[in-house]
Amino acid sequence: NAGVTQTPKFRILKIGQSMTLQCTQDMNHNYMYWYRQDPGMGLKLIYYSVGAGITDKGEVPNGYNVSRSTTEDFPLRLELAAPSQTSVYFCASSYLGGRDHEQFFGPGTRLTVL
Amino acid sequence: QKEVEQDPGPLSVPEGAIVSLNCTYSNSAFQYFMWYRQYSRKGPELLMYTYSSGNKEDGRFTAQVDKSSKYISLFIRDSQPSDSATYLCAMSGGNTGFQKLVFGTGTRLLVSP
Repeated sequence: NAGVTQTPKFRILKIGQSMTLQCTQDMNHNYMYWYRQDPGMGLKLIYYSVGAGITDKGEVPNGYNVSRSTTEDFPLRLELAAPSQTSVYFCASSYLGGRDHEQFFGPGTRLTVL
Repeated sequence: QKEVEQDPGPLSVPEGAIVSLNCTYSNSAFQYFMWYRQYSRKGPELLMYTYSSGNKEDGRFTAQVDKSSKYISLFIRDSQPSDSATYLCAMSGGNTGFQKLVFGTGTRLLVSP
């Protein structure tokens, strides 16, 4: 049981490039989330999904897109990368009715846009 | 005004000290209150969860929620060097739903041997 896995661990992008951050969970959780964490700013919700085929915006969705075609996968797409998207990105998952509404986090992807 | 306020620290204490970490919030609809612990270069992990007001104890950790003051606390007794981490408060509820968490900025704790 690997939990929540994210790839890549690190990435450097040039301004204007695009990339997809991958997230997979093997716990059969219905909820999945993408957060970004900037120094001194806590975690901000980018997008979330309540199940395959259903996604919704969080607090800071601009510049990102998501899709959820399977229960396990929730990729985050960055189009036209900008320096403001330099951050650490965390994927998380949870189960409706799970103990303490716990969200399980992946190890993060450190992205730098130059 | 931020929805959730948390002192970023760092908070430095000697081993064995009692640590008090706090958050204040402005949204009176919040009902679910959590503390996540995040080690350096790792993802956060749930440490404590409290629903509505009251106290909850788990080993050396005690979480308190005072909804009338919009104030939550995490106490760590007999602190250990392994407790050195960033502690993030998080909360949810009301019309945002219980799963959409609002996080504080995190308090960095350093426990020296």
